[in-house]
Amino acid sequence: SQQGEEDPQALSIQEGENATMNCSYKTSINNLQWYRQNSGRGLVHLILIRSNEREKHSGRLRVTLDTSKKSSSLLITASRAADTASYFCATDEWQGGKLIFGQGTELSVKP
Amino acid sequence: EAQVTQNPRYLITVTGKKLTVTCSQNMNHEYMSWYRQDPGLGLRQIYYSMNVEVTDKGDVPEGYKVSRKEKRNFPLILESPSPNQTSLYFCASSFKLGGKLFFGSGTQLSVL
Repeated sequence: SQQGEEDPQALSIQEGENATMNCSYKTSINNLQWYRQNSGRGLVHLILIRSNEREKHSGRLRVTLDTSKKSSSLLITASRAADTASYFCATDEWQGGKLIFGQGTELSVKP
Repeated sequence: EAQVTQNPRYLITVTGKKLTVTCSQNMNHEYMSWYRQDPGLGLRQIYYSMNVEVTDKGDVPEGYKVSRKEKRNFPLILESPSPNQTSLYFCASSFKLGGKLFFGSGTQLSVL
């Protein structure tokens, strides 16, 4: 079963607005990562947050992690049309080497 | 430039004709992995390798083979492709298990 589940599955916003995507997972983790995928292309790593961290920033990205609720959120501030992509969370629960990906949130930013 | 190189980008083949998708990384990563991506099913791991000569099955290994004879290369082999293996395939590598993954550009495979 999928470890990470993103919510919403799809999100459409206007340029300049903030976009928030959520990820829930089922078991204990060492870290949680967020990736971005432009249509049909390889995933690109955005940010990694460790289980002992609560918040992390990278440019316009802010990631939070709540291990008590087994959830994470990715906030993109002041979104741009170029942010249009699918966003995936991935967790590293020990399952024999698997980094388990959620099914992603498809973000559309309209100019 | 640090990268994962995957070839070919597009491949159309017929049922039963053996094919190999190559994957090479130039970052001296120990961990390498293959995924397939299908609509509605997300990314599913096919095989992974912790180091040279060490490979193991992921979630969907049936119909696939891999080898890791050199640290940089991790080819994916379909001995007898079938239409249900039509998918978008990604190779990825990381310095260690659970670390930041670097992805190749993907191989869109169609099996007729």
